[in-house]
Amino acid sequence: KAGVTQTPRYLIKTRGQQVTLSCSPISGHRSVSWYQQTPGQGLQFLFEYFSETQRNKGNFPGRFSGRQFSNSRSEMNVSTLELGDSALYLCASSWATSSYNEQFFGPGTRLTVL
Amino acid sequence: AQSVTQLGSHVSVSEGALVLLRCNYSSSVPPYLFWYVQYPNQGLQLLLKYTTGATLVKGINGFEAEFKKSETSFHLTKPSAHMSDAAEYFCAVTERVYNQGGKLIFGQGTELSVKP
Repeated sequence: KAGVTQTPRYLIKTRGQQVTLSCSPISGHRSVSWYQQTPGQGLQFLFEYFSETQRNKGNFPGRFSGRQFSNSRSEMNVSTLELGDSALYLCASSWATSSYNEQFFGPGTRLTVL
Repeated sequence: AQSVTQLGSHVSVSEGALVLLRCNYSSSVPPYLFWYVQYPNQGLQLLLKYTTGATLVKGINGFEAEFKKSETSFHLTKPSAHMSDAAEYFCAVTERVYNQGGKLIFGQGTELSVKP
């Protein structure tokens, strides 16, 4: 069974631009969550999507948004990029019938904002 | 609000020695508890989790953890470290909710080094 895939793996953008990251979950998983990982703040939850609906949201500004498609693939978008948005963005998928379901993580997209 | 504290951002052990990584949580209701491992340039992999039942949980790669409600702790141990255990380890919690995915709250991570 294929794991969670994220594209692209690396991305370099400049301040003020916007970026879209993509995540393909494990086949059959309907929940996709996004996390931001930085050296200073660690791993922080961005949001979770289930059946094309946002079910859970972390404490990030509105510049961070996401969506999920009918095939469970998900995208996250960051508009008006800031230097502090440089981070590893991780996507995780799960069955998500309960919060104890294991989340399977992708390798991440490393975003560098110059 | 839930929070997770991992004592020691860096732990170094010799190969064959005991590994002990500490995790304490703060939550009004005992949460679900997880340990994840992250190797360089990779995502996170679940080592083990505690949901209910037996408080000593065995995971992959010889790791285990014990949930102690009275101490609000979930420390990770391995009797004998191997060079391949060198990685970053994250303790995480999530609220006990159903029909909803978990919002994982992570600790700051502990980087484990294993000396030959």
